[in-house]
Amino acid sequence: DAKTTQPTSMDCAEGRAANLPCNHSTISGNEYVYWYRQIHSQGPQYIIHGLKNNETNEMASLIITEDRKSSTLILPHATLRDTAVYYCIVRSRTGTASKLTFGTGTRLQVTL
Amino acid sequence: GAVVSQHPSRVICKSGTSVKIECRSLDFQATTMFWYRQFPKKSLMLMATSNEGSKATYEQGVEKDKFLINHASLTLSTLTVTSAHPEDSSFYICSATSPPSAEYNEKLFFGSGTQLSVL
Repeated sequence: DAKTTQPTSMDCAEGRAANLPCNHSTISGNEYVYWYRQIHSQGPQYIIHGLKNNETNEMASLIITEDRKSSTLILPHATLRDTAVYYCIVRSRTGTASKLTFGTGTRLQVTL
Repeated sequence: GAVVSQHPSRVICKSGTSVKIECRSLDFQATTMFWYRQFPKKSLMLMATSNEGSKATYEQGVEKDKFLINHASLTLSTLTVTSAHPEDSSFYICSATSPPSAEYNEKLFFGSGTQLSVL
């Protein structure tokens, strides 16, 4: 699986949009971009994933550049409960046996 | 939605004993499950891939005799930490991939994790 790079940490004011970038310049054509987050002492929580089109769900939006070498996760109105470590992962689309390899992630701190 | 249940959430044991951790997929059949390990303030490290009905595939550096994995059914995988020692103390997390479907779309779901403390 392709390697991803993310900023180590970010701060965001509550109520503002949190934009978390991810670089995956070596992504291949059969790899999805997945985003997960982990709140302290819990298992990772699925947020969103996409292949090449932008995606939106009830939690967040995912913007993938046209060349697919980078993406941005957008939390439109961050709350204190969004404080967590956010992981950007690329994963092969071929089969359920494809594993997720976690990088270091971005520690998002939402403040009042 | 799909849920992966992991049990126990926390376990404290004496050095030299064995500890079993269970991982169940509640809403779907998982032919493949994954086991991760996480140290404080570190990222998740994949330990092994658990395949239903066959031997697990271990990542490099992970001792298969120390971390026994059994995936006897499509909804249950277990990780047994044998002869546990203090250095095995860690947060263990399992995950399972939902099958392709309109509802789940091959998402990978995670259990809530097990905090193992070996005294």
